Amino acid sequence: ETGVTQTPRHLVMGMTNKKSLKCEQHLGHNAMYWYKQSAKKPLELMFVYSLEERVENNSVPSRFSPECPNSSHLFLHLHTLQPEDSALYLCASSQDWGGGVGGYIDTQYFGPGTRLTVL
Amino acid sequence: LAKTTQPISMDSYEGQEVNITCSHNNIATNDYITWYQQFPSQGPRFIIQGYKTKVTNEVASLFIPADRKSSTLSLPRVSLSDTAVYYCLVALDTGRRALTFGSGTRLQVQP
Repeated sequence: ETGVTQTPRHLVMGMTNKKSLKCEQHLGHNAMYWYKQSAKKPLELMFVYSLEERVENNSVPSRFSPECPNSSHLFLHLHTLQPEDSALYLCASSQDWGGGVGGYIDTQYFGPGTRLTVL
Repeated sequence: LAKTTQPISMDSYEGQEVNITCSHNNIATNDYITWYQQFPSQGPRFIIQGYKTKVTNEVASLFIPADRKSSTLSLPRVSLSDTAVYYCLVALDTGRRALTFGSGTRLQVQP
């Protein structure tokens, strides 16, 4: 699927580097997400943006800094990362944050991810 | 908070029907149950979502008993390409509408 794209697909960085991950969705959605998936671990929700406002920050260290300049783009700025931050970083989008009535959750569409290696 | 429990792994052969059961004893009254599929080094992909009884689409069926404390994803006649991790999700009952992915079930389909 090309609805959600992520760049770069692979990234190797040193602990003192600064880099950014980019996500773009072409689905007209209002909500965007960052997830982290470490080896053999469940996906961890990091941040949620709804209508360009951050609505969730799941105790993510400050070395990860998200940015959502508009509803189609989402960035994750990285600085002074640690080797344990090496993981697959996934971006997702959904029509809305909160979905419809009650406990209905809008379908999330994921990008292919960025494989990050911190040396 | 609703928490899900699934088998860690399952094995099957091509052409068989696979049923993966998820337990969610603390599911809230309004919560829906959603299943995703993830292939290695890819993002998860939505499979099916339901609230009660049975839901069927072109990919799978979802069975939810009356008490809604569990659900079963049924994959008819699996093929090698169905080898993946399958996640059962229930929204956190906090009004935040956050999705928590558990460890999932790793399905291995053999020829």
